[in-house]
Amino acid sequence: EPEVTQTPSHQVTQMGQEVILRCVPISNHLYFYWYRQILGQKVEFLVSFYNNEISEKSEIFDDQFSVERPDGSNFTLKIRSTKLEDSAMYFCASSETRDTQYFGPGTRLTVL
Amino acid sequence: QQQVKQSPQSLIVQKGGISIINCAYENTAFDYFPWYQQFPGKGPALLIAIRPDVSEKKEGRFTISFNKSAKQFSLHIMDSQPGDSATYFCAAKVPRGGSEKLVFGKGTKLTVNP
Repeated sequence: EPEVTQTPSHQVTQMGQEVILRCVPISNHLYFYWYRQILGQKVEFLVSFYNNEISEKSEIFDDQFSVERPDGSNFTLKIRSTKLEDSAMYFCASSETRDTQYFGPGTRLTVL
Repeated sequence: QQQVKQSPQSLIVQKGGISIINCAYENTAFDYFPWYQQFPGKGPALLIAIRPDVSEKKEGRFTISFNKSAKQFSLHIMDSQPGDSATYFCAAKVPRGGSEKLVFGKGTKLTVNP
């Protein structure tokens, strides 16, 4: 069964450093999303992406964040200058129909 | 308006019992209501979903009941098993024309005792 994959599974970085989180969505899906989950809290929407452009972004998704689909298979989330409060699980999701979203296993980001 | 309120925060059920998790929403424009199951350290996995024009949907031991007038929906897990122990999130989707993003409830940690 096709699934969303994410790398790395765990990323540790120093405050102020740039990180890139990578995702490979399900191959025939056209809608892509990033969500995050701070430990013990609910899953929060960050950004949606379709047709090579951002559809919507949340207030969390400030100028430090960017997304890119550099080729036909990858979808990346870049945080330019990480802050302590960026520590969270980051989930990529993809959708074929704009209804059902399938989530990846997540990347645990730890900012020291 | 774009909140989904989920209760209870935690739930302990004996093996074989029925687990019931409730969610409520305000935004009547939401057009799709999925439930996700999450095990520790894993991503949310889609469990079952319903649209607002249907009052009930059943898949195996899992049933969603949907009350459009009350703006509430619930997940029922019949014959709960220890393997069902996980965190369950209800969600609601912002409709077409927008981002189609999911708005999640705060989650319910279910423990099924053997």
